[in-house]
Amino acid sequence: GQNIDQPTEMTATEGAIVQINCTYQTSGFNGLFWYQQHAGEAPTFLSYNVLDGLEEKGRFSSFLSRSKGYSYLLLKELQMKDSASYLCAVREVPVTYNTDKLIFGTGTRLQVFP
Amino acid sequence: DSGVTQTPKHLITATGQRVTLRCSPRSGDLSVYWYQQSLDQGLQFLIQYYNGEERAKGNILERFSAQQFPDLHSELNLSSLELGDSALYFCASSVLGKEAGELFFGEGSRLTVL
Repeated sequence: GQNIDQPTEMTATEGAIVQINCTYQTSGFNGLFWYQQHAGEAPTFLSYNVLDGLEEKGRFSSFLSRSKGYSYLLLKELQMKDSASYLCAVREVPVTYNTDKLIFGTGTRLQVFP
Repeated sequence: DSGVTQTPKHLITATGQRVTLRCSPRSGDLSVYWYQQSLDQGLQFLIQYYNGEERAKGNILERFSAQQFPDLHSELNLSSLELGDSALYFCASSVLGKEAGELFFGEGSRLTVL
């Protein structure tokens, strides 16, 4: 079966660092994605990992350990606008299957306080 | 702006009715995905079309159906509506064959069933 787990809610202070964890158990694995979703809006792509290790993109970094079925999203220098839900998603099959279908976790709602 | 267009943005209807949601993918994207997001739930994959053909199917109810037309726009038909069908319905598109094949989401159609 498919299972992607994330904490439901997190809070942090402006300027701080926060780490959002994601564990997954899926029938296949061909990449892990992080999306940001502000309330009532469309999810927007943040990062992609397919090999073990850390990918850094500005204030955001994402880490993957395939052997542990684990990923985290690290947000640095938090800003008020970072208050949003962060969705972890797994692509189970290779792109040669003609699908980029993603299986999503329920998301982590992050609140940033001044 | 992701380039994916969804209409209508909001829809209010009664139980037992039927509605059609429409999606136009990004220019050049052949693949369209439909997701349902209920309150406090993650994005649930419904169905994917690729160049007019059904490619992947998720937890889509029999009361729901979809199709993709020759101009690549897609429609999701929801019939015999129930209160529990109230949700945000997102359409996404992707460029297949790209390693980090992220999905680009439209703004969603918010369906309220009364």
